[in-house]
Amino acid sequence: QLQLQESGPGLVKPSETLSLTCTVSGGSISSSSYYWGWIRQPPGKGLEWIGSIYYSGSTYYNPSLKSRVTISVDTSKNQFSLKLSSVTAADTAVYYCAVRRSHHVFFDYWGQGTLVTVSS
Amino acid sequence: QSALTQPRSVSGSPGQSVTISCTGTSSDVGGYNYVSWYQQHPGKAPKLMIYDVSKRPSGVPDRFSGSKSGNTASLTISGLQAEDEADYYCCSYAGSYSFVFGGGTKLTVL
Repeated sequence: QLQLQESGPGLVKPSETLSLTCTVSGGSISSSSYYWGWIRQPPGKGLEWIGSIYYSGSTYYNPSLKSRVTISVDTSKNQFSLKLSSVTAADTAVYYCAVRRSHHVFFDYWGQGTLVTVSS
Repeated sequence: QSALTQPRSVSGSPGQSVTISCTGTSSDVGGYNYVSWYQQHPGKAPKLMIYDVSKRPSGVPDRFSGSKSGNTASLTISGLQAEDEADYYCCSYAGSYSFVFGGGTKLTVL
């Protein structure tokens, strides 16, 4: 049973880069069994898929965010990360790491979420 | 890739049934049998309730059921209980390893 824990700054200034990490326990980040990804939820609003990465390094991003998003993996720490550049207040949200098994087309595991506020 | 359309709110009395719709396009809901539904209580992470249009994960009561017709998927909750009060989100595969969510529906149990 995978467990996911998000971490990172809760406050980011406009135009800067938001950086979050998801620490994985109960499974290997190098496994071909999962797609590692991120989903966000602005306060009082709906969910938005940000993107995901496979163990091979292949990445898949929401077209609306693709120019600003990078998802990567750190195998030495069993973590994966999210970087979102040039943030504005519209990027204020709870960010969830969310993982799906490679043969599933839904999200099996979710972190508890972390609120990131974009403000000067 | 536009968000799927859900009603903002639905309500029902205990014991009744409610249905939440989720409308997309032929590029997402209509194109794949990969619609999932998530329940979210305030301050909590979403919980999977239905996957692959109509399948229930173990542990989800059979009061929850899903279906799809054309570009519209539906979640039906029968025998409403107080603990069903939550936000519900649909999600569809949209091709090229991408996903799109609905805007969410607030279910109120009267």
